[in-house]
Amino acid sequence: GIQVEQSPPDLILQEGANSTLRCNFSDSVNNLQWFHQNPWGQLINLFYIPSGTKQNGRLSATTVATERYSLLYISSSQTTDSGVYFCAVDSAGGTSYGKLTFGQGTILTVHP
Amino acid sequence: ETGVTQTPRHLVMGMTNKKSLKCEQHLGHNAMYWYKQSAKKPLELMFVYNFKEQTENNSVPSRFSPECPNSSHLFLHLHTLQPEDSALYLCATRPSGDTQYFGPGTRLTVL
Repeated sequence: GIQVEQSPPDLILQEGANSTLRCNFSDSVNNLQWFHQNPWGQLINLFYIPSGTKQNGRLSATTVATERYSLLYISSSQTTDSGVYFCAVDSAGGTSYGKLTFGQGTILTVHP
Repeated sequence: ETGVTQTPRHLVMGMTNKKSLKCEQHLGHNAMYWYKQSAKKPLELMFVYNFKEQTENNSVPSRFSPECPNSSHLFLHLHTLQPEDSALYLCATRPSGDTQYFGPGTRLTVL
């Protein structure tokens, strides 16, 4: 099956710093999503981004499908950004109802 | 708040117990999913239901039994679990061709 690798596995920042998280995938994908998991386990959708670039406030994401990677940018980080960031890809799509394969996540800690 | 609710939020059970996890959504989404998140591992897809029909069983042991009685509810019935089944169990839903929306999860501990 498809492989999803995220880097770095851990990231520690001071409040206000910028960061880039990377997601590499081993095969063509129909869809790609970025999630943030808070300390209580809730997964929050950040971006649904099979290709191109999207921005939402301090966060933006870019997926280059032909080169099989996606980047998540966090600018002016805040302590509330702490948690685990997951990339997940849907390699089936269409009528296969979205079987997501997750990466292992990047654990982000933002210190005040 | 994603519109997907899960109960209970925490569950402790013995290996001989039978329990059920519940997922509920009133978003009108067609597809519903169960995922398992163990410590130090990526989320693993367990089951997929579409229009109440099971379309995917990702080689899940038979001690986990899903049920989807209607388009708003998804259950995961548990029996004779093992300690290694302790994990966070997450439900997700998806409208056609869109992002998946996750519930808050049930944190399960098997003694």
